[in-house]
Amino acid sequence: DGGITQSPKYLFRKEGQNVTLSCEQNLNHDAMYWYRQDPGQGLRLIYYSQIVNDFQKGDIAEGYSVSREKKESFPLTVTSAQKNPTAFYLCASSIFWGLGVDEQFFGPGTRLTVL
Amino acid sequence: KNQVEQSPQSLIILEGKNCTLQCNYTVSPFSNLRWYKQDTGRGPVSLTIMTFSENTKSNGRYTATLDADTKQSSLHITASQLSDSASYICVVSAYSGAGSYQLTFGKGTKLSVIP
Repeated sequence: DGGITQSPKYLFRKEGQNVTLSCEQNLNHDAMYWYRQDPGQGLRLIYYSQIVNDFQKGDIAEGYSVSREKKESFPLTVTSAQKNPTAFYLCASSIFWGLGVDEQFFGPGTRLTVL
Repeated sequence: KNQVEQSPQSLIILEGKNCTLQCNYTVSPFSNLRWYKQDTGRGPVSLTIMTFSENTKSNGRYTATLDADTKQSSLHITASQLSDSASYICVVSAYSGAGSYQLTFGKGTKLSVIP
């Protein structure tokens, strides 16, 4: 899991509530990412940020929001607008080696369950 | 549309035996291919990253091959151990313009090593 921490490990939410997932890294990486993983599916990109105070939507950004006020932190908020939020959420950060090659390091994940 | 297909979907082998996992991709323009190991309930961990010019890359008992002409990769595990039980994910990176790269994730192969 490297120097990336996610909290909490398990999260339960009632329908209609917003929840925020924490992601912190001490690797001094510029880029950070949020992915969603569902059973039998590949990871899907929610949001990514390449520098502080800037972030871009991924493939499935609807119902999610992020902020990047510090290099080390990239919290994800799952809003009530997300229709099917129950999933395993993974945060990652990356360092570029050059020539288009970067290595992503993943956190341990947060399992969100909507009751 | 960029796609990454992995086979088999799941595999059961006896401890000590070898196995090979397959990854076929239709990603363009190709930048690099990665293999990750993901233990249940944990974040993925990088095994190898291969660029266009690399045909084979090893990491301990793991050996990845890449055939950029046929757009195929394989991950060979030698002398399997119980700790190899995990999902193995193939990820392909493609250049998406303006200095950006897009990752396409396979659904993974779930490997179970039994005594």
